[in-house]
Amino acid sequence: AQSVAQPEDQVNVAEGNPLTVKCTYSVSGNPYLFWYVQYPNRGLQFLLKYITGDNLVKGSYGFEAEFNKSQTSFHLKKPSALVSDSALYFCAVRARNTGGFKTIFGAGTRLFVKA
Amino acid sequence: GAVVSQHPSWVICKSGTSVKIECRSLDFQATTMFWYRQFPKQSLMLMATSNEGSKATYEQGVEKDKFLINHASLTLSTLTVTSAHPEDSSFYICSVHSGTVDYGYTFGSGTRLTVV
Repeated sequence: AQSVAQPEDQVNVAEGNPLTVKCTYSVSGNPYLFWYVQYPNRGLQFLLKYITGDNLVKGSYGFEAEFNKSQTSFHLKKPSALVSDSALYFCAVRARNTGGFKTIFGAGTRLFVKA
Repeated sequence: GAVVSQHPSWVICKSGTSVKIECRSLDFQATTMFWYRQFPKQSLMLMATSNEGSKATYEQGVEKDKFLINHASLTLSTLTVTSAHPEDSSFYICSVHSGTVDYGYTFGSGTRLTVV
């Protein structure tokens, strides 16, 4: 069965330090992988996606993610965190299963960046 | 990029009534729109893909007759929650995408539905 795991409910990091928000997945076939950010009482904002090609994907606001097929991971990273990065981050995977494509979101990871 | 307006931002309705949520692409002709649902303190669930001029494509497990989607023009998709019940209370979000690749990139601000 398809699944997406964000093992950390919350990540705390000091401003200026690098941040990593973890995501692992389990699908059959080749997945399409996405990261989204949600600010309080707002809709989501697309950060980046991996469809094919270079395993390192660069996205909005200085974020990047690396697709690791052997570890089935797609961790979100940023070299230097900002207080304004504090938000809820969702990893999502879209893959084919019986009955067609299905999209699954991770449970979300709340990022706190402290000044 | 596309600008998406979602209305209303919040709504309270009585059980058994129907509620319509609108998603408008203000500066872009969107052939495809997406509807999501987010439960409190839980993750998002893609409900359906709204296709202009044709039937929506629903994700597995989503009741088509419960959540009616209409995409009659290139700038408007509507989600109608029919015969709403308290368990339908949730945060509903739409998004639009400019092309034929898999996913929406610009999201509406969401609609918080409370059924009492």
